[in-house]
Amino acid sequence: GDSVTQMEGPVTLSEEAFLTINCTYTATGYPSLFWYVQYPGEGLQLLLKATKADDKGSNKGFEATYRKETTSFHLEKGSVQVSDSAVYFCALSRGETGNQFYFGTGTSLTVIP
Amino acid sequence: NAGVTQTPKFQVLKTGQSMTLQCAQDMNHNSMYWYRQDPGMGLRLIYYSASEGTTDKGEVPNGYNVSRLNKREFSLRLESAAPSQTSVYFCASTRGVHEQFFGPGTRLTVL
Repeated sequence: GDSVTQMEGPVTLSEEAFLTINCTYTATGYPSLFWYVQYPGEGLQLLLKATKADDKGSNKGFEATYRKETTSFHLEKGSVQVSDSAVYFCALSRGETGNQFYFGTGTSLTVIP
Repeated sequence: NAGVTQTPKFQVLKTGQSMTLQCAQDMNHNSMYWYRQDPGMGLRLIYYSASEGTTDKGEVPNGYNVSRLNKREFSLRLESAAPSQTSVYFCASTRGVHEQFFGPGTRLTVL
């Protein structure tokens, strides 16, 4: 079945460090891929998405490229800030109406000044 | 435009008690979902409703029931709460194949 595997945390970085959170997926067909962010005490918010191979999603300095050959969608940011501290979830959907979304287990990021 | 709203925000139950978690969305979305979030396990789908009048089981439906009351509202019921149902519950909605929008969550403790 469909699934998402993402890098386990927690991850602790100093401010302005480079961030990579790995995500790989298993799915039939051509799923859409997402990164969600969850700040403490809140629900998940969409960070970025990509709907076809080689697409790059980007938002707030974060980027991820849909790599079908490696079935990956790694999240990167060149210079993290304290305000980026949150839990990040990789997810996929098959893109059918009413379909299910599959989430990774989440990676907790803490950025220290 | 409030998005996805959930009530209550916090709840403490005793084992065996029942309760209903309410969810509503004002974005005219067809599909709605209930998830639970537990440490180290990410989000697990309990039930979903692809459209008004339909519901389907997700990964962890045991101990729960749902009702899609109308297009806006999707409730989750615990008939006889157990400590294993202590969790954070999120409702989400989506229009077609697009992104999911999440509510703020309900933090449930079962003693």
